[in-house]
Amino acid sequence: GENVEQHPSTLSVQEGDSAVIKCTYSDSASNYFPWYKQELGKRPQLIIDIRSNVGEKKDQRIAVTLNKTAKHFSLHITETQPEDSAVYFCAASPKPNNAGNMLTFGGGTRLMVKP
Amino acid sequence: DTGVSQDPRHKITKRGQNVTFRCDPISEHNRLYWYRQTLGQGPEFLTYFQNEAQLEKSRLLSDRFSAERPKGSFSTLEIQRTEQGDSAMYLCASSLVRGAWETQYFGPGTRLLVL
Repeated sequence: GENVEQHPSTLSVQEGDSAVIKCTYSDSASNYFPWYKQELGKRPQLIIDIRSNVGEKKDQRIAVTLNKTAKHFSLHITETQPEDSAVYFCAASPKPNNAGNMLTFGGGTRLMVKP
Repeated sequence: DTGVSQDPRHKITKRGQNVTFRCDPISEHNRLYWYRQTLGQGPEFLTYFQNEAQLEKSRLLSDRFSAERPKGSFSTLEIQRTEQGDSAMYLCASSLVRGAWETQYFGPGTRLLVL
């Protein structure tokens, strides 16, 4: 089955700096890579996702890059703000089909943005 | 609120008791997933439904766990003879498969504490 490793487990940055979180996956069949943000006591919320047919995707201050050959993908947050503080999870899944499309999550990164 | 909802949000029970959780997916979403999240970890897949059919179950889902989605809308997850190791956040997610891809949207979760 799929295995997703996420680094670092904690990340502290100064407001305005950039933050980068990296994930590696093991199953070459994985084709979909979402990132979720989870604030304390709240549901995981999708912030950005990337599919295997593209190498990079950007949405305002957030970008995700994918290297299928190396089986790794990264989340980049620029101009960080205190409200970016949360736990971020990467995940991987195969292309959906009748056999299922369960997400395999990384262990999470606690991002702290200091004002 | 048209998002995924879960009930109850919190449940405290004594070891050996049975508990049942409910998930209401986003209207018209045909897939429904159950995940379990322990403190400091990413969610782990438990089981999923396509409409009313339960198509896959994780090895994490012991025979004390049962899930149903009788009419292809809401779903229930029952845990019989609860154990302290069952204490966790139980998350539900729903998705609508469109073409080749799907995006999972999570509910707020039910936090279970087994004493």
